[in-house]
Amino acid sequence: EADIYQTPRYLVIGTGKKITLECSQTMGHDKMYWYQQDPGMELHLIHYSYGVNSTEKGDLSSESTVSRIRTEHFPLTLESARPSHTSQYLCASSDSSGGTDTQYFGPGTRLTVL
Amino acid sequence: AQSVAQPEDQVNVAEGNPLTVKCTYSVSGNPYLFWYVQYPNRGLQFLLKYITGDNLVKGSYGFEAEFNKSQTSFHLKKPSALVSDSALYFCAVRDPLTGGFKTIFGAGTRLFVKA
Repeated sequence: EADIYQTPRYLVIGTGKKITLECSQTMGHDKMYWYQQDPGMELHLIHYSYGVNSTEKGDLSSESTVSRIRTEHFPLTLESARPSHTSQYLCASSDSSGGTDTQYFGPGTRLTVL
Repeated sequence: AQSVAQPEDQVNVAEGNPLTVKCTYSVSGNPYLFWYVQYPNRGLQFLLKYITGDNLVKGSYGFEAEFNKSQTSFHLKKPSALVSDSALYFCAVRDPLTGGFKTIFGAGTRLFVKA
């Protein structure tokens, strides 16, 4: 079944730790996105990718980095986590071939930095 | 520049009553419009979209939305609300001509359906 996965679902870590949030999709979509969302609030685009080896920063400045080495995989890394990074991170993907780029979202990772 | 507005932070409705969640947009061309729903501790789920054609679009879970070009609106509707419809709803817009691939999301409207 085609889907989009995020791991871990919940993560509690201490300040200064390096973390990687995983996102994988099995739909063959070319575009992928990372959003940051405080609980129940609006979404902020922090990174996006048009395809393999293509990544761009989004509208919201973020200290995280991303990579896109394989079509299906779009991990997000924080080199040194801080309490201000506490939030929910949503990964999404879309298929540009149809023209509409309807985005499909993963379940999210809720990150808490102590 | 493209933008989307959801004028209500919260909508309260009794179960069985019709519901409307409002959305207005601003784009320079013909928009692609979307509605998503987010249940607690979950990602966003795609509900429906308008690309072209019939102004009334039907989507998942009995929801529908009406595209009104003159009023630049895309309100989400359901004839009879269920308690399980209680969630956070996001309207989104994309301008395929000038907005590139970027989809702009509204701030969200929280829907409460009371039994």
